[in-house]
Amino acid sequence: NAGVTQTPKFQVLKTGQSMTLQCAQDMNHEYMSWYRQDPGMGLRLIHYSVGAGITDQGEVPNGYNVSRSTTEDFPLRLLSAAPSQTSVYFCASSYLGKGEKLFFGSGTQLSVL
Amino acid sequence: KQEVTQIPAALSVPEGENLVLNCSFTDSAIYNLQWFRQDPGKGLTSLLLIQSSQREQTSGRLNASLDKSSGRSTLYIAASQPGDSATYLCRVSNFGNEKLTFGTGTRLTIIP
Repeated sequence: NAGVTQTPKFQVLKTGQSMTLQCAQDMNHEYMSWYRQDPGMGLRLIHYSVGAGITDQGEVPNGYNVSRSTTEDFPLRLLSAAPSQTSVYFCASSYLGKGEKLFFGSGTQLSVL
Repeated sequence: KQEVTQIPAALSVPEGENLVLNCSFTDSAIYNLQWFRQDPGKGLTSLLLIQSSQREQTSGRLNASLDKSSGRSTLYIAASQPGDSATYLCRVSNFGNEKLTFGTGTRLTIIP
């Protein structure tokens, strides 16, 4: 019973490097999303998707790209990492997306030096 | 724009006490509200989901209430245990809004 799986759990990057955070869910959820969590600022939505081939921007999309080629996977790409992107990243999924029960992955702790 | 506030930011209570956590929101036209707990270094675990048409939801020692007119939800924890120590977050969904709004959470510590 995997649920939402995120990899890696920890990552250290140098400024300017690129990387992809992986997210996969096995619940056939249409809605998938990426959040970042920073102290004192709560969870902020980066990008979301309501189905394969459909993505949209959230509150803080700059510096991040996403794609949704399958229902199961929703990778988050950092094209040129910056220290301001040091954060904990969470992937979440649900049915439909209009406020249905949200399921979270265990998170990726990213440090950009 | 919806704003969600959770006060206090931190709370410590002795084991065995009953306690209430608060979640306030500014736009009452919500679809539903969900409570989570987050343990240090972990993801968010769903506790309760209340639809806009409901007044409360219960799961074990947890009871969540919703009062849309006052823009408030409470999470009641009965007979608190050290294992309840965690950060508790609420999130709100508005009608026609794919984008959810989270509170910043209340860090709860149960003192043995």
